[in-house]
Amino acid sequence: GDSVTQMEGPVTLSEEAFLTINCTYTATGYPSLFWYVQYPGEGLQLLLKATKADDKGSNKGFEATYRKETTSFHLEKGSVQVSDSAVYFCALSERGADGLTFGKGTHLIIQP
Amino acid sequence: EAGVAQSPRYKIIEKRQSVAFWCNPISGHATLYWYQQILGQGPKLLIQFQNNGVVDDSQLPKDRFSAERLKGVDSTLKIQPAKLEDSAVYLCACDKGSYNEQFFGPGTRLTVL
Repeated sequence: GDSVTQMEGPVTLSEEAFLTINCTYTATGYPSLFWYVQYPGEGLQLLLKATKADDKGSNKGFEATYRKETTSFHLEKGSVQVSDSAVYFCALSERGADGLTFGKGTHLIIQP
Repeated sequence: EAGVAQSPRYKIIEKRQSVAFWCNPISGHATLYWYQQILGQGPKLLIQFQNNGVVDDSQLPKDRFSAERLKGVDSTLKIQPAKLEDSAVYLCACDKGSYNEQFFGPGTRLTVL
């Protein structure tokens, strides 16, 4: 079945550091890929998505590129802020109309 | 636009008791999902509705879990009887259709003692 693997946390960085959170997936077809974020005390919300190979999703300074050859969708940001502290989930949907398969989540802590 | 509403927010029960969770999705969102999120893990899909019909319930433990969506709007998820391993946050989500963003509710945190 489908699965998503993302790097274990917590990840602790200083403000303005470069961020990479790795995500790889296993799927039978050509899934859509997502990053969701959960800020402290809030619900899950979509950060960015990509629906086909080589697509780049971007939002709030975060980017991720759909790499079919390496089955990856790594999340990057050039300069993180304290307000980026949250739990980040990589997820996939096989046909875009299905429920999501999530990774375990990566807790990101940004120190001033 | 109002978000996804869930109640109760917290529930503590003893094993073998029954519990029900309620979800009111965003108006006009035809697809509704229930997810289970155990501490330290990502959410796992339990059931997906399209309007009031079930699309996917392959991961729903049907011997103890049931769900319904009345008139294609509100939904309830029930556990009867509960086990210790059912302790988790139960998330309701909805979307308008294919490739659209799923909107999540705040969740119901269930503790089974």
